[in-house]
Amino acid sequence: SQTIHQWPATLVQPVGSPLSLECTVEGTSNPNLYWYRQAAGRGLQLLFYSVGIGQISSEVPQNLSASRPQDRQFILSSKKLLLSDSGFYLCAWSVRGNRGTGELFFGEGSRLTVL
Amino acid sequence: AQSVAQPEDQVNVAEGNPLTVKCTYSVSGNPYLFWYVQYPNRGLQFLLKYITGDNLVKGSYGFEAEFNKSQTSFHLKKPSALVSDSALYFCAVSRPYGGSQGNLIFGKGTKLSVKP
Repeated sequence: SQTIHQWPATLVQPVGSPLSLECTVEGTSNPNLYWYRQAAGRGLQLLFYSVGIGQISSEVPQNLSASRPQDRQFILSSKKLLLSDSGFYLCAWSVRGNRGTGELFFGEGSRLTVL
Repeated sequence: AQSVAQPEDQVNVAEGNPLTVKCTYSVSGNPYLFWYVQYPNRGLQFLLKYITGDNLVKGSYGFEAEFNKSQTSFHLKKPSALVSDSALYFCAVSRPYGGSQGNLIFGKGTKLSVKP
């Protein structure tokens, strides 16, 4: 069966410090991968998605970047965190292309607090 | 433009009563529709989906949803609510393939509160 892991689960960082959140998927190959941010326990904002190694699409301009160094690894980074980067970050995967019905499978999330 | 609307920010229900969480959508073609549940500080969990076929879809934890094409709705229902059903519920629709590789469009979420 497929599983998705995110870490760290919680993170408290000072403004201006770097960030690295990691996500890995097991039990599937060639997945689409996504990073979402959820602010104030509400709506989801798609930040990045990837359809393959080294292929990253950004949905919104921001202080963050994403990388996909391996097929089942997705990393969210920042060189210098801002207060506004605080939030709950969710990684997700889906079956690529027409083999799937578009549903997403989510990790447990990473709570980032920037002070 | 594709969109999903959850008209209620919060739904309050007494335990044992039936519950409905509303969702309407606007999408071209035949939609794939989904419901997810999120407990505090957790990721989203898949509840159920409509792809094709029977308009009444049954999912996890006793939830079901009814696809109504004429009303473009996909309301989530449960005959008898439990306190443990209290959570944030998201409706989502899949974008057509060839555009954004199957990304889901999410509603803003509805907070369900079930009181004893």
